[in-house]
Amino acid sequence: VQLVESGGGLVRPGGSLRLSCVASGFTFSAYSMNWVRQAPGKGLEWVSSFSGAGSDIKYGDSVKGRFTISRDNAKNSLFLQMNSLRDDDTAVYYCARELREPHGQGWFDPWGQGTLVIVSS
Amino acid sequence: SYELTQPPSVSVSPGQTARITCSGDALPKRYAYWYRQKSGQAPVLVIYEDKKRPSGIPERFSGSTSGTMATLTITGAQVEDEADYYCCSTDSSNNHVVFGGGTKLTVL
Repeated sequence: VQLVESGGGLVRPGGSLRLSCVASGFTFSAYSMNWVRQAPGKGLEWVSSFSGAGSDIKYGDSVKGRFTISRDNAKNSLFLQMNSLRDDDTAVYYCARELREPHGQGWFDPWGQGTLVIVSS
Repeated sequence: SYELTQPPSVSVSPGQTARITCSGDALPKRYAYWYRQKSGQAPVLVIYEDKKRPSGIPERFSGSTSGTMATLTITGAQVEDEADYYCCSTDSSNNHVVFGGGTKLTVL
């Protein structure tokens, strides 16, 4: 079971970036998937989740209206489209599989290694 | 907004018992989960559904709850247990995931 994120990098304030997470070793479509971020030297912050069954989507208040989560079950992939990026979006972004339904409970295993997003001018 | 409160730091000597607490009003109704994060690494699940231990996690790790508090206990802490520990649960008002602020465990 493995999750591999990519797509991080340096972007200017107001810019956009799209993160990807490719899953392997499990039936991707059967699980809810999440994005969690960690600003430098700070704690974990839940960002967004996408249910396995159906298409229920949740966003944290700090990203709602700016970020869009999506998934492609045929490609075992999870995405996070980030628009209108701000300095305080700078963080390592992790994807994580959720093991309990309905989603939104916090049982995450495993986590990917993370991808770093830096928002700076 | 819903908050989970953890002490910023806990320090013990090797072989002692470390207890890390997590306080939240919804914990009597919602499960608590615990994650260990070593420096430069991704978080790892160490306790799920309040008190269950995933395979591969040493038996010295245990979880418990009482009222609005969840506790992670490391019995006989080892130097390799030094890490940041995060509790995690659900905001029952909107079913969104919430993390505690994290506790830095020092074993020396």
